[in-house]
Order: sequence, then structure tokens, then C-alpha cells
Amino acid sequence: DGGITQSPKYLFRKEGQNVTLSCEQNLNHDAMYWYRQDPGQGLRLIYYSQIVNDFQKGDIAEGYSVSREKKESFPLTVTSAQKNPTAFYLCASSIFTSDQPQHFGDGTRLSIL
Amino acid sequence: SQQGEEDPQALSIQEGENATMNCSYKTSINNLQWYRQNSGRGLVHLILIRSNEREKHSGRLRVTLDTSKKSSSLLITASRAADTASYFCATPLGGAQKLVFGQGTRLTINP
Repeated sequence: DGGITQSPKYLFRKEGQNVTLSCEQNLNHDAMYWYRQDPGQGLRLIYYSQIVNDFQKGDIAEGYSVSREKKESFPLTVTSAQKNPTAFYLCASSIFTSDQPQHFGDGTRLSIL
Repeated sequence: SQQGEEDPQALSIQEGENATMNCSYKTSINNLQWYRQNSGRGLVHLILIRSNEREKHSGRLRVTLDTSKKSSSLLITASRAADTASYFCATPLGGAQKLVFGQGTRLTINP
């Protein structure tokens, strides 16, 4: 079955440590996205990529970095510069047009030790 | 940037009743999308309505769009316990592929 896989489901970070969240899709979608969701809130866009080797900042990119070396993969690194990283992180993908829905993974919950 | 806002923030109804959620947005759009999120899971796309459409149905779901009022509603008929979830509206920002999500309506269906 086609879909989006995020791993790990739960992740713990120590102070001053970088962590990388994985996102893989086999839907052959060009566009991929990373969102952050805080408890009881909506989604805020961190980064998005419309094509391999290219990505753009979203609304809350500070303290995060991404890469898009392969069409299928869009890993997110939460750096030590992100002072409040505890949140639920969601990855999504879509066909590259504005009237197509996004398909989501099941998220990674990141907590600080 | 907040584009869509859902109302109410929380809704609790009895199984079998209808549930209506509303979404308001600020700028012109070419489509509006509704998503469902079960607790601790990712979002699932429910329905997309284009700006030239006024109403769209999918099973027990009915979505309306009023571009003059910049608002949309999602109606779930004959609710079931499995409909318990958060529901979000989302709109494209400008001509880009970026979607802007509202804060969602938390729907609880009581047996």
C-alpha cells in the first residue's frame, strides 16, 4: 500500500542535542511538508519542498533544518537552537498542484528529557 | 499566519445526531479542504470543495462553501462513536501549495 511513514513514533531529546525525524513516502509525490502541532492547536508549517534539492521555509523554520536529496525522503532535524521542541511533528506529501489534498504520516512525538 | 478559524472549538453530541462545524477564512481561495484527526494520529483528508462549488457530498458528509461570506461548513449526519475526532479546515495560501490550517473543532460523540 502507498503511504507516508514517519519514524520513530516517539523520540526523546537531551538538552543541546540535535535529533532527526524521518519521513518516507512511496506515493510518487513531488511535494513534501513538515508541520508542528502543539496540544489542542492546529498545524504550523515548518518547511516544505516542491522538488528534489529544493525547499522553502514555512512559518516557524527557526531551529529546524531539512534536506531533500531523494524524492521519497524529507528528513527534519530539530537543532539545539530550537528552544521549545516538545511537540507532535507531522509529515505530509501531495501532488504538485494547489488543488490536491495532502497525505499525512502518523507523526512523531518529540519530548525533552 | 492564521487563515481558517473553526467554530465551535469543541462540540459534544449524542450518537445519531447531526454535527455541524464552521470555518471562516480571510482571503480569496480557489479551494477549501476538510481533514479529520483521530487522537495521536495524522490527518486524513475528507473532502475538497472548489471556489466555484457551493455544496459537496461524500457519504454522511456535506460541505458547503459561501465565498461571499468567506465561510464553509461541514455537516456530519447520523453521527457515530467513530466520528469522535478533531476536524480541521485548510485553505491554500495565495497561489502556492502551502495549506493554512485552522485550530480545529474537537468533536465528541457520546454513546
